[in-house]
Amino acid sequence: AQSVSQHNHHVILSEAASLELGCNYSYGGTVNLFWYVQYPGQHLQLLLKYFSGDPLVKGIKGFEAEFIKSKFSFNLRKPSVQWSDTAEYFCAVSGFGTASKLTFGTGTRLQVTL
Amino acid sequence: DGGITQSPKYLFRKEGQNVTLSCEQNLNHDAMYWYRQDPGQGLRLIYYSQIVNDFQKGDIAEGYSVSREKKESFPLTVTSAQKNPTAFYLCASRYRQGAATGELFFGEGSRLTVL
Repeated sequence: AQSVSQHNHHVILSEAASLELGCNYSYGGTVNLFWYVQYPGQHLQLLLKYFSGDPLVKGIKGFEAEFIKSKFSFNLRKPSVQWSDTAEYFCAVSGFGTASKLTFGTGTRLQVTL
Repeated sequence: DGGITQSPKYLFRKEGQNVTLSCEQNLNHDAMYWYRQDPGQGLRLIYYSQIVNDFQKGDIAEGYSVSREKKESFPLTVTSAQKNPTAFYLCASRYRQGAATGELFFGEGSRLTVL
């Protein structure tokens, strides 16, 4: 069965600090990987996604993630966070094929202080 | 504007009552999903549907039922058999189940509270 682990449940950073949120997945095949973000009071939206090609993917608002196949990881990074990045971040994995479904991690709550 | 509309946004229910949450999309997406979001547990898949008149159980389907009579609609019924129904419910859709580039688009959610 596919699964996703996000080890950081709650992260507090000061503005301008660098961010790295961990994501490890378990899946026996070719994967699609996603990071979604949920800002306070807003619906979930896609931050970035990886399907194939360059393992370093760039998303919106200066976020990026690196797919390391040997480590089954897809960590999210941002060099300098802003107060507006305060949100909950979810990593998700999906396989290919008609039976694939999207499995989410438990989420990481990021709080950025001024 | 294209999107996913969930209603109601907030719902209160007494124990023993069934309740139906609505999800409508005008994105012409084939696949639709229902997730439940609980603090510290992320999103867990309840049911999903790839095409009209077909749906599959997700990881936590017990106590829930769905129908997919129209492409744009995927209502979720929370039955009295669901032991812990108080939660935030999210509906999502994507262009084609299994497509390599298919990201999920989410509605704004429905918060159900059982009194």
